[in-house]
Amino acid sequence: SYELTQPPSMSVSPGQTASITCSGDKLGDKYASWYQQRPGQSPVLVIYQDTRRPSGIPERFFGSNSGNTATLTISGTQALDEADYYCQTWDSATWVFGGGTKLTVL
Amino acid sequence: QVQLQESGPGLVKPSQTLSLTCSVSGASITSGAYYWSWIRQSPGKGLEWIGYIYHSGTTYYNPSLRSRVIISVDTSKNQFSLKLNSVTAADTAVYFCARQYGDSAVVRFHPWGQGTLVTVSS
Repeated sequence: SYELTQPPSMSVSPGQTASITCSGDKLGDKYASWYQQRPGQSPVLVIYQDTRRPSGIPERFFGSNSGNTATLTISGTQALDEADYYCQTWDSATWVFGGGTKLTVL
Repeated sequence: QVQLQESGPGLVKPSQTLSLTCSVSGASITSGAYYWSWIRQSPGKGLEWIGYIYHSGTTYYNPSLRSRVIISVDTSKNQFSLKLNSVTAADTAVYFCARQYGDSAVVRFHPWGQGTLVTVSS
């Protein structure tokens, strides 16, 4: 089965840029989406089709996907961006998610 | 604004059937080219897509769960439902319903319901 690998955790200072990676075999040949899940809440779509932002998602969220790695970049990180972030893609028979990255803003 | 809400028992005994319903408001379940999915989240396995249904009744399931899952739709109530049989402790998870845009490679899930915790225990 296809696997997406994310770092379990990372931290960033307020105002700085956070880059969260998601690795999978030839992931750049597929589309990646990203979800934000704040504590006690359900996931929210923040990036789809590698680079697109849904309505209402701030421009500081940016996505890219090339080679074996998709990246979610958050510029000017704010305290409210502290959350778990999950990548997602499709592989032949099912939709799969990464294990998630806990982003701490401190 | 579309909203989804899961409902159902929070406790299921081992070997029995887990049954959940997702109520959709703010849009008709028959409108647009949307699919309606179930996704679960457990500490051990993270997020796992379970399956989807289209308003016509067409379904597609995760191969790893296909033998135990049935998803159905009731368009008159604007609801869709999940049944997972022969449950074990490994099925303990928060179960989410979500609207699915598209099929195959371009799929995204938006929005999601608030989720409901189902514990499998005797």
